[in-house]
Amino acid sequence: ELKVEQNPLFLSMQEGKNYTIYCNYSTTSDRLYWYRQDPGKSLESLFVLLSNGAVKQEGRLMASLDTKARLSTLHITAAVHDLSATYFCAVVLTSYGKLTFGQGTILTVHP
Amino acid sequence: GAGVSQSPSNKVTEKGKDVELRCDPISGHTALYWYRQSLGQGLEFLIYFQGNSAPDKSGLPSDRFSAERTGGSVSTLTIQRTQQEDSAVYLCASSPRILAAMQYFGPGTRLTVL
Repeated sequence: ELKVEQNPLFLSMQEGKNYTIYCNYSTTSDRLYWYRQDPGKSLESLFVLLSNGAVKQEGRLMASLDTKARLSTLHITAAVHDLSATYFCAVVLTSYGKLTFGQGTILTVHP
Repeated sequence: GAGVSQSPSNKVTEKGKDVELRCDPISGHTALYWYRQSLGQGLEFLIYFQGNSAPDKSGLPSDRFSAERTGGSVSTLTIQRTQQEDSAVYLCASSPRILAAMQYFGPGTRLTVL
């Protein structure tokens, strides 16, 4: 059974600081997604990582994938309040895109 | 273009009643997924449709849950004899084909069973 674990589950950051959210998964996969969820809202796609060594960047967020280590990271650079949200990673094992999600990381950025 | 839409946005029902949740995927998207988000279980896969057929129903929690898709478009998730543990947000997602780069999620239906 595929298990996807994120850490930390709660992250309180000061504006301007850097931090990394980790996503470990238990079974080989070369397809990983990162989503953002604001309170009471649905999931917004951030990144799709499709191969070992893939790196994607958008604004202050950068995601990477190491399929050999079964690890993805979401790095936050110079955090701002607008980044406060819950971040999920999700791994695809099947041939048809069924997502298995991590527990989510609740990020709060303080002034 | 329009995104994935779901209705109703909120549903409050009494234990034992049946409910129907609707998902309108993005036009032309052949793959459709239902997920459930609850405090205790996080985000869980329920069922996958390719066209009108459902090759994977493995996530449906019990035989009280069923889903169908018609015309390769709209999907309905039906929960019979609702229980309090069915309370959750039910999310629908679609993608243009299997293993497409992106799954697009709808706003969800928040179900509360009293």
